[in-house]
Amino acid sequence: DSGVTQTPKHLITATGQRVTLRCSPRSGDLSVYWYQQSLDQGLQFLIHYYNGEERAKGNILERFSAQQFPDLHSELNLSSLELGDSALYFCASSVQGANYGYTFGSGTRLTVV
Amino acid sequence: AQSVSQHNHHVILSEAASLELGCNYSYGGTVNLFWYVQYPGQHLQLLLKYFSGDPLVKGIKGFEAEFIKSKFSFNLRKPSVQWSDTAEYFCAVTDSGYALNFGKGTSLLVTP
Repeated sequence: DSGVTQTPKHLITATGQRVTLRCSPRSGDLSVYWYQQSLDQGLQFLIHYYNGEERAKGNILERFSAQQFPDLHSELNLSSLELGDSALYFCASSVQGANYGYTFGSGTRLTVV
Repeated sequence: AQSVSQHNHHVILSEAASLELGCNYSYGGTVNLFWYVQYPGQHLQLLLKYFSGDPLVKGIKGFEAEFIKSKFSFNLRKPSVQWSDTAEYFCAVTDSGYALNFGKGTSLLVTP
C-alpha cells in the first residue's frame, strides 16, 4: 500500500457517459497529479493541483476536468466518454512539487464500451 | 517541454544476466531524473532518483543508474537480474518541478 488511495479500481461505462475518479493523497502530501496510461501513448500527464489550486496542465482534453478539495482529495471528471478514453488513470501525490518524485496510487482502470 | 526516450520497448533476459535499459531526455538545462518500476498489477514505485552530485546513483533492489550529462542519458543497470525483476520500467524527468514527463516504458521479462 503506497498511501495514495484511488477509487474505484475498475469502471465500465458506455460512450457518452460521465464518470468521476477519486484520489486521496498520502498523508501530509499537498500535491496531486493525474496521469493517463494507455498502450499507445504511455503515461501522459494530465493535471497537477497543489493545496486546492491548479498548478499545471498537460495533455488534458477539454472533456476532462479535475479539482482538489479542502481535505486535499482530488476528483477527475471525464465526460462525453469515447472508446479511446479507455485507459488506466493514475493519481500520484507529493509533499510539494515533482522535484523529489511522487508516490503513485494503484490506478483506476476505465473501460468505455 | 522536454521529452524522454526509452529505446528498448521489450527486453527478455535469462536469470543472472546483466541489464542495461537506455533513457535519453531532450532538455539541456538542469533536470531531476527518475526510474520507476511497475510490477504486474501494481502501482508505479520509485527505484532511484538523481538530483545532483555523484552521477552514479544507487537505488533499491540492486539497481543503479548513471547520469551522463554530455549524452543526455540516464541508463538503468543491474549486474544480475532475477525472475522477480520482471516488470515495466519507466524513466522520467522534470525540469520545472511541476510534473514528471515519462518515457513510454520498457517491458522486461526475466526467464528462469
